[in-house]
Amino acid sequence: KQEVTQIPAALSVPEGENLVLNCSFTDSAIYNLQWFRQDPGKGLTSLLLIQSSQREQTSGRLNASLDKSSGRSTLYIAASQPGDSATYLCAALTDSWGKLQFGAGTQVVVTP
Amino acid sequence: GAGVSQSPSNKVTEKGKDVELRCDPISGHTALYWYRQSLGQGLEFLIYFQGNSAPDKSGLPSDRFSAERTGGSVSTLTIQRTQQEDSAVYLCASSLAPGMNYGYTFGSGTRLTVV
Repeated sequence: KQEVTQIPAALSVPEGENLVLNCSFTDSAIYNLQWFRQDPGKGLTSLLLIQSSQREQTSGRLNASLDKSSGRSTLYIAASQPGDSATYLCAALTDSWGKLQFGAGTQVVVTP
Repeated sequence: GAGVSQSPSNKVTEKGKDVELRCDPISGHTALYWYRQSLGQGLEFLIYFQGNSAPDKSGLPSDRFSAERTGGSVSTLTIQRTQQEDSAVYLCASSLAPGMNYGYTFGSGTRLTVV
């Protein structure tokens, strides 16, 4: 069974620092790896989707890498801002029809 | 609609009562998913719909849980004889089609509290 782990569980950084969020998965047979953001009391917002054949995806200040062989993905957020404060979740697509296996998330606080 | 709509946003119910949670996906999205997020836990898959069919309902915790989808659109998740351990945020997501190429759009969830 696929297990997805996110470390650390919580992270606090001063504004302007770069954020590095880690995600590991036990079964490399994934279709894609997705990163989401969750604000308190809200649903999930999709940030980046990396197909299994890709090594990375970029969107603005966000960059996500994928290393299937080592079972790892990393989300980098450059020049963090207080508005980046949220919980970040990674999820591995384990079935061809779309069932996601989620990590427990990393709660990020960016202090002004 | 522009996004995935879930109702109610909050529901407080007494133990033993039945509840219905509604999800209205993005128009044209054929795939619909229900997940549950319990306090301190990650998101847990419940059930997946392709059109009106549910090819995978393996995540439903017990036979007190059921779901249906009509007209390839709105879905209802029903919990009978609610228990305190059913308290959680229930999230619905839709996708243009099932599979690896399409991302998810999530609703804001229904926070269920069983007292």
